Amino acid sequence: AQKITQTQPGMFVQEKEAVTLDCTYDTSDPSYGLFWYKQPSSGEMIFLIYQGSYDQQNATEGRYSLNFQKARKSANLVISASQLGDSAMYFCAMREFTRLTFGTGTRLQVTL
Amino acid sequence: DAGVIQSPRHEVTEMGQEVTLRCKPISGHDYLFWYRQTMMRGLELLIYFNNNVPIDDSGMPEDRFSAKMPNASFSTLKIQPSEPRDSAVYFCASYRGSPNEKLFFGSGTQLSVL
Repeated sequence: AQKITQTQPGMFVQEKEAVTLDCTYDTSDPSYGLFWYKQPSSGEMIFLIYQGSYDQQNATEGRYSLNFQKARKSANLVISASQLGDSAMYFCAMREFTRLTFGTGTRLQVTL
Repeated sequence: DAGVIQSPRHEVTEMGQEVTLRCKPISGHDYLFWYRQTMMRGLELLIYFNNNVPIDDSGMPEDRFSAKMPNASFSTLKIQPSEPRDSAVYFCASYRGSPNEKLFFGSGTQLSVL
């Protein structure tokens, strides 16, 4: 069974608009962590944001925020004020115990 | 810090040949991961080590794949014999093991098996 699910293979957003990328997860580890990474066309993996399972508040990093709904087991990434440079693949990942696994990714395209 | 260092960046080989991918994790990082990325399967966890000991190799596709970590500063992923379906980007990543610490990735090795 998939541990990390990203149901949106591709998304489009207009420049300056906000966009939400979905991520749901499943784990039996009570102390887990959720990550989002960005992979531009150059191929490198860029860390964006982290949310711990015990964190009371949603994580924010600049234009990125993580909408953490623990009961629903979702950890959606919200990008505000999209920029052309945000066009990339976005991966949700989960650390359970010591293992980190990734979702299949969402390709985001920012348009003018 | 130089970050996670992988070599080579690109490898082109013929089917049946042995391929060795190398990784130097960040100093002080206790965990090392090997991932494979393809269009069809995304980022797959192949194996990971803690303090040089393999913890979970359930993602290694078959016996043709093997990984070692002889010391804290070096790991190899070997494919013998290689097949065209092994063509992918192979990433090495490391982290210290603290709960909220991110995973640091290398630049990846683009492997093409002809």
